[in-house]
Amino acid sequence: DADVTQTPRNRITKTGKRIMLECSQTKGHDRMYWYRQDPGLGLRLIYYSFDVKDINKGEISDGYSVSRQAQAKFSLSLESAIPNQTALYFCATSDSGGLKTQYFGPGTRLLVL
Amino acid sequence: DQQVKQNSPSLSVQEGRISILNCDYTNSMFDYFLWYKKYPAEGPTFLISISSIKDKNEDGRFTVFLNKSAKHLSLHIVPSQPGDSAVYFCAASSQTGANNLFFGTGTRLTVIP
Repeated sequence: DADVTQTPRNRITKTGKRIMLECSQTKGHDRMYWYRQDPGLGLRLIYYSFDVKDINKGEISDGYSVSRQAQAKFSLSLESAIPNQTALYFCATSDSGGLKTQYFGPGTRLLVL
Repeated sequence: DQQVKQNSPSLSVQEGRISILNCDYTNSMFDYFLWYKKYPAEGPTFLISISSIKDKNEDGRFTVFLNKSAKHLSLHIVPSQPGDSAVYFCAASSQTGANNLFFGTGTRLTVIP
């Protein structure tokens, strides 16, 4: 079974709709992250959380919100989706000790019409 | 402002030969560097990393070299295999503070049988 899972894997929505992307992990890591990937731009950090009570904005947080429901769960919400939020979204986790290597989920492909 | 750069969008190599992927960074606070491999429809998979206290790290066919004075790292794959065909992302972080990963834009490697 995958250590980091994301649901849904694919989603089509309309402009103005609220949607939630979910991430779960079984790695026992404290830290969780949300990234988006756009063609030619690599991955960019949206939000990150170091524990259940710690939420931080990343490079491109505008238009997004997150919720850390438990150590193993971190969800990303688009309050009112817009077409330029069409992208691949990845969740990642890392330990709080050691070298803090991040491990990624399989991604969610989101299309906003 | 792109803090991690991969200036070659693509690279083609014959099977059995060496693949060399390059990455440059601008932030002197980065002290941990990673390479991720990404297949279509999958999340990035951690491949190999190097701490700034080292200048080389080897894992089987994969070796990462770090030149701190030039702010440059490279990934060598020897010998290259068709299964290595993927997009390779370079990433960097600072182990102190937020430990956010900054990604390059990726290099698509094609290994020709």
